[in-house]
Amino acid sequence: DARVTQTPRDKVTEMGQEVTMRCQPILGHNTVFWYRQTMKQGLELLAYFRNRAPLDDSGMPKDRFSAEMPDATLATLKIQPSEPRDSAVYFCASGLSDTTNYGYTFGSGTRLTVV
Amino acid sequence: RKEVEQDPGPFNVPEGATVAFNCTYSNSASQSFFWYRQDCRKEPKLLMSVYSSGNEDGRFTAQLNRASQYISLLIRDSKLSDSATYLCVVNPVDSSYKLIFGSGTRLLVRP
Repeated sequence: DARVTQTPRDKVTEMGQEVTMRCQPILGHNTVFWYRQTMKQGLELLAYFRNRAPLDDSGMPKDRFSAEMPDATLATLKIQPSEPRDSAVYFCASGLSDTTNYGYTFGSGTRLTVV
Repeated sequence: RKEVEQDPGPFNVPEGATVAFNCTYSNSASQSFFWYRQDCRKEPKLLMSVYSSGNEDGRFTAQLNRASQYISLLIRDSKLSDSATYLCVVNPVDSSYKLIFGSGTRLLVRP
């Protein structure tokens, strides 16, 4: 089965450090999403791309978060500097924008702990 | 008001029971609807799309009521393996492609 691959699986870092999370979408998928999940807020959309162009990053704290797609096989989410409140599971998902009725596929997530 | 609202549960039912979840959405222009399932410490996985005419997949039936802006999921003959969190998901505007998730309804199926 085709999979969305996220790295690292787990990350523990100290407050103030830079964190970079990576996502390899399913080959051929042109839409990529970054979500954050916490117990309190549930799944929140941070940013998404279509054909590598950012469409909406309004859910992302702009002062410390940045999302990019340097090429069609890689999406990155960077936090600099990290804070304890950023602790969450970060999911990447990909899909085909022309087939929204089929939903999207999620990666297994990056569990981030900022101490 | 949240864009997608669900009863968090938990719904605690015996094996073999029928259980139903509802979900309401605020944007009447929403076009696509889904149910996702999320197991503990795992990623969400697509369970089924929800079509205007309603659709069934084995023991699972999904229905959409556009007039009242709610979506339902019915699970018949519950299995222990159905224990999970069920997420209601809406694509709020057809051209945006993004998915908005409800906070999920937790289901516990007991022996």
